[in-house]
Amino acid sequence: ETGVTQSPTHLIKTRGQQVTLRCSSQSGHNTVSWYQQALGQGPQFIFQYYREEENGRGNFPPRFSGLQFPNYSSELNVNALELDDSALYLCASSLVGDPSGKLFFGSGTQLSVL
Amino acid sequence: QKEVEQDPGPLSVPEGAIVSLNCTYSNSAFQYFMWYRQYSRKGPELLMYTYSSGNKEDGRFTAQVDKSSKYISLFIRDSQPSDSATYLCAMALTGGGNKLTFGTGTQLKVEL
Repeated sequence: ETGVTQSPTHLIKTRGQQVTLRCSSQSGHNTVSWYQQALGQGPQFIFQYYREEENGRGNFPPRFSGLQFPNYSSELNVNALELDDSALYLCASSLVGDPSGKLFFGSGTQLSVL
Repeated sequence: QKEVEQDPGPLSVPEGAIVSLNCTYSNSAFQYFMWYRQYSRKGPELLMYTYSSGNKEDGRFTAQVDKSSKYISLFIRDSQPSDSATYLCAMALTGGGNKLTFGTGTQLKVEL
């Protein structure tokens, strides 16, 4: 088990609504990233945060936004939900200065958009 | 064409078999290569990590990277039913931070 915890574990929303997902990083890790994993696919990088600022973003529209707090916990916000946003959302933490990409993932939040 | 290609399987093998999992990639700038294991309804768990080309062994697992062919492999010896999971290859650029590019994953089932 990693020290990365995510909440909630499951969520059901309707199209057009907004959602906030939460993540608590592993102790000592100061970089957090978010991934979207559609059914039968590998995770897709959404963005990463370091020192409370976004410092890398994948190919996702601006309605996907995030926050990182001083205690390194993080939120992912998605506005104007679409059916295709249904997926497993994964939070991952790592140590800044480790260039290797070794990430520690939480168990994810399963989002269903109806 | 995807940057990272991985056969989705499913792959079914008998207990004790040697399993070979593979990925190919197109971006020659990738320097870090990883294999993650993902059980159903869980997040990916890092299994093996390799920098640049070469082999790395850890217990029953061996990871190989051939950058000249843009091809990476994971071998599992003496496979166990507990190895049944989805195996994801992932790659990163130097200075790429936490941006990993994943394959689609190969679903493995090890049968008694």
